[in-house]
Amino acid sequence: GEDVEQSLFLSVREGDSSVINCTYTDSSSTYLYWYKQEPGAGLQLLTYIFSNMDMKQDQRLTVLLNKKDKHLSLRIADTQTGDSAIYFCAETQSTGTASKLTFGTGTRLQVTL
Amino acid sequence: GAVVSQHPSRVICKSGTSVKIECRSLDFQATTMFWYRQFPKQSLMLMATSNEGSKATYEQGVEKDKFLINHASLTLSTLTVTSAHPEDSSFYICSAPQETQYFGPGTRLLVL
Repeated sequence: GEDVEQSLFLSVREGDSSVINCTYTDSSSTYLYWYKQEPGAGLQLLTYIFSNMDMKQDQRLTVLLNKKDKHLSLRIADTQTGDSAIYFCAETQSTGTASKLTFGTGTRLQVTL
Repeated sequence: GAVVSQHPSRVICKSGTSVKIECRSLDFQATTMFWYRQFPKQSLMLMATSNEGSKATYEQGVEKDKFLINHASLTLSTLTVTSAHPEDSSFYICSAPQETQYFGPGTRLLVL
């Protein structure tokens, strides 16, 4: 089955850039997502990328995809204390949106002053 | 973006009782919805796919008689945890697809 891995914890200082990494095993992944979860809350979609793209930028967020190495990263520029949360990458193998997601283990981002 | 709601947001119940959790797509129709379970400090695990007008599809290891799913309409799916036990205590999250997957805010279940 699919396997999606992330490092568990990342600590950065306010104003620095954060880079959260994700690796997946299934080469047939078509969409890859980044979600943010604050304590006790649901998931907020941050961004997603199609498997035929290498990079996507949306304001402070930059997603890089290395399909050959099955590696996905999320870079947050100018990290703020409000960015402290758990970040999940997720993948799906379907070309449709009505398809189940496989989530990574989650990375807890801690932003310090 | 699209909005998905869940009700209740938090529920505490006694062991042996049944609990129903609702998932609604507020401004769009969803023929498919997904139910996930999240244990503390862990990732989301897909439990089942809820299909409007037909039976739900359960993931391996999920007891269908324990977790009853009913997709009553194009905007509502319900998850009923039957004869709940303390080990069923968890955070349950639903999602519905609309361009991408939109997640509800989650329901925290505590079984005493």
